[in-house]
Amino acid sequence: RKEVEQDPGPFNVPEGATVAFNCTYSNSASQSFFWYRQDCRKEPKLLMSVYSSGNEDGRFTAQLNRASQYISLLIRDSKLSDSATYLCVVNERAGGTSYGKLTFGQGTILTVHP
Amino acid sequence: NAGVTQTPKFRVLKTGQSMTLLCAQDMNHEYMYWYRQDPGMGLRLIHYSVGEGTTAKGEVPDGYNVSRLKKQNFLLGLESAAPSQTSVYFCASSAKQGAGGTEAFFGQGTRLTVV
Repeated sequence: RKEVEQDPGPFNVPEGATVAFNCTYSNSASQSFFWYRQDCRKEPKLLMSVYSSGNEDGRFTAQLNRASQYISLLIRDSKLSDSATYLCVVNERAGGTSYGKLTFGQGTILTVHP
Repeated sequence: NAGVTQTPKFRVLKTGQSMTLLCAQDMNHEYMYWYRQDPGMGLRLIHYSVGEGTTAKGEVPDGYNVSRLKKQNFLLGLESAAPSQTSVYFCASSAKQGAGGTEAFFGQGTRLTVV
């Protein structure tokens, strides 16, 4: 089983739609969680961190369920510019007391069309 | 602001050749990472380092070696390149992370083709 698994997608939605991505992780010792965005042939960039209480940034909402080891990202009122690959990222304990191993899911491709 | 710089940006190698990819960061970050990205596979961790002089294996370390002699640099070496190592390689760095975690910053990638 992969350490971090995402919905395979791809998602193809019209402008204005609401779309949700899911991600599960296998290491219960994981301590921090992120969503990254990657545009075609570019480097990944941080979209938002995911906090235990859930958090919102404009049209984006992230949720964490530690009991189910599950992370989600909700995008409301989709824009054409939201078309990208969305990557779920988990920060795991590397050994001892050090966190340092960032593990990525395989990514979910989102295409927003007019 | 340079951030994370990878060199080279493109390279074509013949099978069996060796090369070193250089990653340099100017943010005084403790942690550095090398990933490879293949179609449909997301980013897979090759090796990482949690501090100067320390390295650790990631998910796909075979065929690669790394060194972190200076805090700002993280080198990825291919001793004998194989076609299966054709990929896009990304380097990243982040500040020392507590339970809250911090953002990882990426270089622009190195597109390597092994023929």
